[in-house]
Amino acid sequence: DTGVSQNPRHKITKRGQNVTFRCDPISEHNRLYWYRQTLGQGPEFLTYFQNEAQLEKSRLLSDRFSAERPKGSFSTLEIQRTEQGDSAMYLCASSLASSGRARRPLGDTDTQYFGPGTRLTVL
Amino acid sequence: GDSVTQMEGPVTLSEEAFLTINCTYTATGYPSLFWYVQYPGEGLQLLLKATKADDKGSNKGFEATYRKETTSFHLEKGSVQVSDSAVYFCALLRGGNKLTFGGGTRVLVKP
Repeated sequence: DTGVSQNPRHKITKRGQNVTFRCDPISEHNRLYWYRQTLGQGPEFLTYFQNEAQLEKSRLLSDRFSAERPKGSFSTLEIQRTEQGDSAMYLCASSLASSGRARRPLGDTDTQYFGPGTRLTVL
Repeated sequence: GDSVTQMEGPVTLSEEAFLTINCTYTATGYPSLFWYVQYPGEGLQLLLKATKADDKGSNKGFEATYRKETTSFHLEKGSVQVSDSAVYFCALLRGGNKLTFGGGTRVLVKP
């Protein structure tokens, strides 16, 4: 399977605990995105990386949230001191963006491909 | 800021009925527009896209036309099947970065 993968698929934790999620993007995709989706709502953007650089963070991403993509491949999203309001589906997506060095973009550079998500329940 | 508004569901249809889900957007410039579908228990899947005005995206019998004059990207399918039961999300992408999604429309097709 060459799609976006996320682990774990489900996580139940007690309030105050720390949790970490992992996302493996489609290989060769240089952009990686994190979104959060609460029940009955559309996904909301949290942050994105181009290679290993974190280029944008939403105001939704409080100080308790941190994301990394240390080698420009997989990414982790950590939530410290979880709260019940953090209960949601956390979605990862990846896309291919032109590096600027290529003479023309390789393939479809607009489309974000999503993983199955990690459902977090904070008790 | 950017926003996407789509009709609230649930939309309940009989098999072979015509489906329309309205989507309008607010954004400066020229965003790309997308429809994603989420089947029960699964992640978001790209259904179709359009990157400029008057483009028509199509896939699996679904179509949507990018209408800049009405800032709309309505999704249509001429004859739905039970397997089309899902939640459909309209989204825009501006600047190549974050997607802005609508709230989703649940569609239930009954045999």
